[in-house]
Amino acid sequence: QLQLQESGPGRVKPSETLSLTCSVSGGSISGYFWSWIRQTPGEGLEWVAYIYYTGNTNYNPSLKSRVTISLDTSKNQISLKLRTVTAADTAVYYCARGRSRWELTGFDPWGQGTPVTVSS
Amino acid sequence: EIVLTQSPATLSLSPGERATLSCRASQNISTYLAWYQQKPGRAPRLLIYDVSNRATGIPARFSGSGSGTDFTLTISSLEPEDFALYYCQQRSTWYTFGQGTKLDIK
Repeated sequence: QLQLQESGPGRVKPSETLSLTCSVSGGSISGYFWSWIRQTPGEGLEWVAYIYYTGNTNYNPSLKSRVTISLDTSKNQISLKLRTVTAADTAVYYCARGRSRWELTGFDPWGQGTPVTVSS
Repeated sequence: EIVLTQSPATLSLSPGERATLSCRASQNISTYLAWYQQKPGRAPRLLIYDVSNRATGIPARFSGSGSGTDFTLTISSLEPEDFALYYCQQRSTWYTFGQGTKLDIK
């Protein structure tokens, strides 16, 4: 059974760079889309970025200037870097796979999420 | 940005009743709509994709309909485990989510 496990620092200071990792077990990252999605009580669910196993990427326009998504097929991991963070970036960050191989028709499955707080 | 508006914000029903949740898009999204269920402290779970296709393992009591701008998630007969938050999500122009409908026990 495919499992996704996010990991991160828990707390980041304003203006610093947030780095997150999603480790995939029970299957390969090849052949699928991989996304980061975040959730806040105020803004709800927000898609951040995706990367296809070929390396093709797409970013939420509102975050594009600050975000980089990448994958490491040798480690079966997907990473996210979010630069110059502010309190508005405080959220639970989820990693999710695309449901199908050819189109991102839905996010399935999801990891359990990792909470991130931006605070000095 | 395509905005998804879900209604009602809260729906109070009893087990065994039929639930109807709505999602309206700010512009035509064809059939590019999915539904998710989220329980407290858990990640969302995909229920329905492309309006009416149930995801793997989703019971037949969950169904979806609609096209264009108006969509509906129907739960035919509520089970105790169905009381949760429900979100719609579009993939017509990148990916956005509705603000959610809370389905709680009456």
